[in-house]
Amino acid sequence: DAMVIQNPRYQVTQFGKPVTLSCSQTLNHNVMYWYQQKSSQAPKLLFHYYDKDFNNEADTPDNFQSRRPNTSFCFLDIRSPGLGDAAMYLCATSREIDPRGVAGKETQYFGPGTRLLVL
Amino acid sequence: AQSVTQLGSHVSVSEGALVLLRCNYSSSVPPYLFWYVQYPNQGLQLLLKYTTGATLVKGINGFEAEFKKSETSFHLTKPSAHMSDAAEYFCAVSGYTGGFKTIFGAGTRLFVKA
Repeated sequence: DAMVIQNPRYQVTQFGKPVTLSCSQTLNHNVMYWYQQKSSQAPKLLFHYYDKDFNNEADTPDNFQSRRPNTSFCFLDIRSPGLGDAAMYLCATSREIDPRGVAGKETQYFGPGTRLLVL
Repeated sequence: AQSVTQLGSHVSVSEGALVLLRCNYSSSVPPYLFWYVQYPNQGLQLLLKYTTGATLVKGINGFEAEFKKSETSFHLTKPSAHMSDAAEYFCAVSGYTGGFKTIFGAGTRLFVKA
């Protein structure tokens, strides 16, 4: 089945120790997103890629970076995790036909998430 | 700017009872509206969406929602709750405002009692 896969499902890191979360998709979608979701809160968009074009949300901390080496894979790098970065990180994809339509009317397909714990 | 308000962070119903989850939105442009469901320790899954056309939208698992422009609402309903419906439900809005961005509501956790 076509899907969005996130590894690992659970990640424990130490305060200040860089960590990378990965996402892969078999849907061949052109857009990939990273969301941060804290307990009992709405998902918060960190950034997205439209093909190779990176789009950062204005309020995303510099501590968060992303890479998309090819269509199928996308990585979230947290350079120096703080206690406040403990959260569920969700990867999502969508197929956008309209270049203006990113995160718009097309359905987003989410992975199961990676729960990050910072000690 | 766009925003979503979900009324009630927790809703509890008995199995077999009507499910009603409320969502009101604010949008200065024609909205696209979504309901997503999230089961514990899983990602979000689309239940249904409204883009244009018929205002009553049917989704998966027996859910439906009606877009009411005059009330700026997009409430989610299901005639008869099942235990497997227990989950977190998110309403979301997007629309072209020089770009698109999907705004999620804070979520409503649905409990189903036997």
